[in-house]
Amino acid sequence: DAKTTQPPSMDCAEGRAANLPCNHSTISGNEYVYWYRQIHSQGPQYIIHGLKNNETNEMASLIITEDRKSSTLILPHATLRDTAVYYCIVRFNFGNEKLTFGTGTRLTIIP
Amino acid sequence: GAVVSQHPSWVICKSGTSVKIECRSLDFQATTMFWYRQFPKQSLMLMATSNEGSKATYEQGVEKDKFLINHASLTLSTLTVTSAHPEDSSFYICSARAGGGAADTQYFGPGTRLTVL
Repeated sequence: DAKTTQPPSMDCAEGRAANLPCNHSTISGNEYVYWYRQIHSQGPQYIIHGLKNNETNEMASLIITEDRKSSTLILPHATLRDTAVYYCIVRFNFGNEKLTFGTGTRLTIIP
Repeated sequence: GAVVSQHPSWVICKSGTSVKIECRSLDFQATTMFWYRQFPKQSLMLMATSNEGSKATYEQGVEKDKFLINHASLTLSTLTVTSAHPEDSSFYICSARAGGGAADTQYFGPGTRLTVL
């Protein structure tokens, strides 16, 4: 699997948009970008994934650059409950392809 | 969204005993489930991939005779930690694969915290 690079930590003020970057410069053409988050002492929660087009759901937006070498997860109006470790993972989208978790970004929402 | 449950949520056992952890997909069928382990302040590490009706595939360094995995139905996979020792104390998390094609996604359970005394 291609590897990803994320900043180890970020702060964001409550109510503001949180923009979490991810670099995946060695991503291959068939690999998707997945985002998960893990709140302390819980299992990871799926957020969003995409291949090359920007994606939006009720939780977040995913912006993937045209060359697909990086992406940004956007939480539009961060709340205190968004404090978590966010993982960006690239993965082939077939078969038993596993998710390989890196160290992620620890996002802290500040009141 | 797809819901995955785990039972128990936490367990304390004595060294040398065996512990079984259940992982269930509640509102979908999962031909593939995955088992992860997470030590304090570390990221998730995949232990094994479990396919319904067949033997699990273990990651390098994971003892298959110690961590027994059974995926007997499309909604249930179990992980049994045999002859548990204090170094097996960890947070065990399962995931289940749902969707297909572009929608292929893994959904995670809430985790089971195992403490071996």
